[in-house]
Amino acid sequence: EIVLTQSPGTLSLSPGERATLSCRASQSVSSSYLAWYQQKPGQAPRLLIYGASSRAAGIPDRFSGSGSGTDFTLTISRLEPEDFAVYYCQQYGSSPPLATFGQGTRLEIK
Amino acid sequence: EVQLLESGGGLVQPGGSLRLSCAASGFTFSTSAMSWVRQTPGKGLEWVSAISDSSVNKYYADSVKGRFTISRDNSKNTLYLQMSSLRAEDTAIYYCAKHLNGWFFDFWGRGTLVTVSS
Repeated sequence: EIVLTQSPGTLSLSPGERATLSCRASQSVSSSYLAWYQQKPGQAPRLLIYGASSRAAGIPDRFSGSGSGTDFTLTISRLEPEDFAVYYCQQYGSSPPLATFGQGTRLEIK
Repeated sequence: EVQLLESGGGLVQPGGSLRLSCAASGFTFSTSAMSWVRQTPGKGLEWVSAISDSSVNKYYADSVKGRFTISRDNSKNTLYLQMSSLRAEDTAIYYCAKHLNGWFFDFWGRGTLVTVSS
């Protein structure tokens, strides 16, 4: 089973700053199979990025994803107040078929 | 508008059973794979089970294999999760989620809380 490790655990930034979140896999992951989600308190996760770099419907272009192999990055170019939340990466595989999530990065207002 | 509404959660004793339901609307349920994902404060998000659009393929996390059964009724636009032999570590919020391409989850319900405790 592939383990996803996210860093940092908590990121403290101010609105307008750039955020860079990391997701490292214990073994190589196909870029096609990597996603990022945002979760706010009391809400379900929301899909932001899939296929490592494709934005989901309705996601602002300040969110971007990149990476390949074992290292993936979510970048938020200019933080808006509503972006402060917890972010999870997720991958899936076909042998065996299953999905796994990272432990999350909390993005908090500095 | 896509909507997923879970129900059936509650307090159950260890070793007990519970059936969760997820009523879907706003999309063609019969052509969408679906999953259950749970969340605990200590372990974060954990994928639990998935089912293909026609129910031919069903998949389970090792942690629930043999105890949980996923099913769906496309005539009722409803997804189910039958949970048995419940343990304290099954305590979580259970979300149903619609699959996008492959195993990405583009829509989620609001979740239903399952508490396993004596």
